[in-house]
Amino acid sequence: TQLLEQSPQFLSIQEGENLTVYCNSSSVFSSLQWYRQEPGEGPVLLVTVVTGGEVKKLKRLTFQFGDARKDSSLHITAAQPGDTGLYLCAGDQTGANNLFFGTGTRLTVIP
Amino acid sequence: DAGVIQSPRHEVTEMGQEVTLRCKPISGHNSLFWYRQTMMRGLELLIYFNNNVPIDDSGMPEDRFSAKMPNASFSTLKIQPSEPRDSAVYFCASSLWTGLKTTEAFFGQGTRLTVV
Repeated sequence: TQLLEQSPQFLSIQEGENLTVYCNSSSVFSSLQWYRQEPGEGPVLLVTVVTGGEVKKLKRLTFQFGDARKDSSLHITAAQPGDTGLYLCAGDQTGANNLFFGTGTRLTVIP
Repeated sequence: DAGVIQSPRHEVTEMGQEVTLRCKPISGHNSLFWYRQTMMRGLELLIYFNNNVPIDDSGMPEDRFSAKMPNASFSTLKIQPSEPRDSAVYFCASSLWTGLKTTEAFFGQGTRLTVV
């Protein structure tokens, strides 16, 4: 069962453009994480959001957790080729410690 | 710390053969996860352990799959017999779970399994 749906599935943009990736679920999560995965490697954590409505910034990346803790978004400003990769959201349900991953968004930034 | 170590990095085997994937988690971590990644199904959680005890194996596809964690520093995922549809990248991840909230999961580099 896929609890987390991400959109878009694929995204190809020019360097310097802005983009937003979405992570949606019908379930409530106690926290939500965003990971980035590069070819031949495992996913690496970017950020964890815990509180409904929380916004976190990591340089050009802005992460938001929905008020109801069912959805999240990742916004990248002035994308660079180094941002290319597979972006995955992952959520855990309270006390479960089972980290379920979203379907992923594969981003390509063209120089 | 060397991070999560998986072996082998690549495995090619014939249908029907037994395959064993190995994982050494980060020292001090008490949770270990096995995931399978394919283009069609994304990153699927197969099983996870807390303090060496399997907590949820509902993601294991079928009885051909089994996982063990005999101690805090080693885990295996075994497929017997293997089938072509098992071809995927298998990831092991570990984390330090405090019982309050999930913390960062650290992933190994994965094992790319091809069953021909």
